[in-house]
Amino acid sequence: AQSVTQLDSHVSVSEGTPVLLRCNYSSSYSPSLFWYVQHPNKGLQLLLKYTSAATLVKGINGFEAEFKKSETSFHLTKPSAHMSDAAEYFCVLIQGAQKLVFGQGTRLTINP
Amino acid sequence: DTEVTQTPKHLVMGMTNKKSLKCEQHMGHRAMYWYKQKAKKPPELMFVYSYEKLSINESVPSRFSPECPNSSLLNLHLHALQPEDSALYLCASSQVRASGRWAGELFFGEGSRLTVL
Repeated sequence: AQSVTQLDSHVSVSEGTPVLLRCNYSSSYSPSLFWYVQHPNKGLQLLLKYTSAATLVKGINGFEAEFKKSETSFHLTKPSAHMSDAAEYFCVLIQGAQKLVFGQGTRLTINP
Repeated sequence: DTEVTQTPKHLVMGMTNKKSLKCEQHMGHRAMYWYKQKAKKPPELMFVYSYEKLSINESVPSRFSPECPNSSLLNLHLHALQPEDSALYLCASSQVRASGRWAGELFFGEGSRLTVL
């Protein structure tokens, strides 16, 4: 069975400092992985995706993620946090034809 | 145009009411999805339509009835709901290959916030 584990339910950083949101996955196949962001009372927006091309994936708003097969990880990073980055972040794996497997989410808080 | 539009944004209904949620996309996607999201939880898949045919029903109670009138529209008909059905209902769309295999990321709407009294 495929699964996604987000290692932190809540991350708090100061504005201007780096952000690290951790995601581990379990998959029998070569996975397709995504990071989505959800601002309060909004839908989900795709930040970036990994689909077996380059292992370092760049996304929107300065975010990037590195796929590490040996560590079964797909951590999300940003060099400098901005107040507008405060949101819920979901690491997602594709299972089968049309099913997404979601992590439990990480709430990112930015302190001024 | 990369939007998935959902209406209404907010809906309050009693347990005996009949209402509908609507979703529209004009990206030419042939797969459309309904998700339910409770507070502080990830979205849970309810239904998937591929080429206007229901392809996945995640054992959703019959008080939720999906409909896909055409490739751009997706409805969710609600009847005799329970208070525990209160949630954010998200619609999404994606490309899909003729084989039914996934062909791209899901694009989500902003959701319809449903409250059942």
